[in-house]
Amino acid sequence: DGGITQSPKYLFRKEGQNVTLSCEQNLNHDAMYWYRQDPGQGLRLIYYSQIVNDFQKGDIAEGYSVSREKKESFPLTVTSAQKNPTAFYLCASSLAGGLDEQYFGPGTRLTVT
Amino acid sequence: QKEVEQNSGPLSVPEGAIASLNCTYSDRVSQSFFWYRQYSGKSPELIMSIYSNGDKEDGRFTAQLNKASQYVSLLIRDSQPSDSATYLCAVPDMEYGNKLVFGAGTILRVKS
Repeated sequence: DGGITQSPKYLFRKEGQNVTLSCEQNLNHDAMYWYRQDPGQGLRLIYYSQIVNDFQKGDIAEGYSVSREKKESFPLTVTSAQKNPTAFYLCASSLAGGLDEQYFGPGTRLTVT
Repeated sequence: QKEVEQNSGPLSVPEGAIASLNCTYSDRVSQSFFWYRQYSGKSPELIMSIYSNGDKEDGRFTAQLNKASQYVSLLIRDSQPSDSATYLCAVPDMEYGNKLVFGAGTILRVKS
């Protein structure tokens, strides 16, 4: 079954802790993306990657970090520097980037208290 | 920053009616346009892509594109309560070429 998986579905952390969200795809897509969605709001781009070992900041990269060591994997770390980390985090991938359709994983709902 | 504008709604239609969702975008050179459906608490699901002016039909869904007016719409015929969701319009940022710009979405409610 081809698709994008994100784990865990729900994540709870204490303030001040770093946390890493997993995103894996077996669609053989080159490009991968991380978005954040807050209640009642649209999607905001955190980071994206067009190829392995390369990634670019999106609109709200502060307090986040990523790596792209394998084509299939694009983990996102939410650091303690992120002031309001509680949100719904969505990973997406597309065949080659910008002009292509993006397909989303099921999301991770992070709650930091 | 390129902009994609949608009426936030909610748009309420009776079951069986046509729901019309609209989206305008700021980038004149945009080449591709996408509609996503997002149920509450779930991730967005791609339902339509359109690349050229005119209409594109897929089942009960029709996407309409007018590049001169920078306007793309989604029509849902014979609306069902299961169509109740938030519909997101997305357009590539042609300046950077590597990312989609999403509208904030329109909430659709289909009343039975």
